Amino acid sequence: GQNIDQPTEMTATEGAIVQINCTYQTSGFNGLFWYQQHAGEAPTFLSYNVLDGLEEKGRFSSFLSRSKGYSYLLLKELQMKDSASYLCAVGNAGNMLTFGGGTRLMVKP
Amino acid sequence: DVKVTQSSRYLVKRTGEKVFLECVQDMDHENMFWYRQDPGLGLRLIYFSYDVKMKEKGDIPEGYSVSREKKERFSLILESASTNQTSMYLCASSLEDFQETQYFGPGTRLLVL
Repeated sequence: GQNIDQPTEMTATEGAIVQINCTYQTSGFNGLFWYQQHAGEAPTFLSYNVLDGLEEKGRFSSFLSRSKGYSYLLLKELQMKDSASYLCAVGNAGNMLTFGGGTRLMVKP
Repeated sequence: DVKVTQSSRYLVKRTGEKVFLECVQDMDHENMFWYRQDPGLGLRLIYFSYDVKMKEKGDIPEGYSVSREKKERFSLILESASTNQTSMYLCASSLEDFQETQYFGPGTRLLVL
């Protein structure tokens, strides 16, 4: 079975740094994805990790530890437009993704 | 740019009606997916298809069926809509390799009365 946990809501201040954690227990592992979803819109791809370590992409970074079943998304220099839900998704066999419940991030001035 | 379109943004149906949700992608992607998204439950996979006329059950296929007669089009069918199928339905597509990003359509918000 699959179990993916992430916090339901987080609040942070504009200009700050926020870390969104994701823990998972899955049968089979083919990488971990992070998606961003603004209210009323489609999810859009942010990052993909399949090896342990940190992947940096501008203001966003994603970290993976396969042995711990743990990932985080790090957002730096927060902007108001970063207010959105952030979805952690784990790939298993057969091209399937299992999503966590999503973390709703509110950025305040 | 990859474009995934869905036939309706909002849909209201009555219990027992047959409902068709259509999804079209224009990037020649092999894989197509149907999810539903509910508050607190996240996205859950209903069905996916990795080729024309091929389909695989996802995590919650009960009450749904799918059709993929052409590569670019993937349809989700609710044979007899029920109120517990009120949800946001999202279609996605991707290239063949698993590591490829899934591109999502704008979603169809379905209300079953």
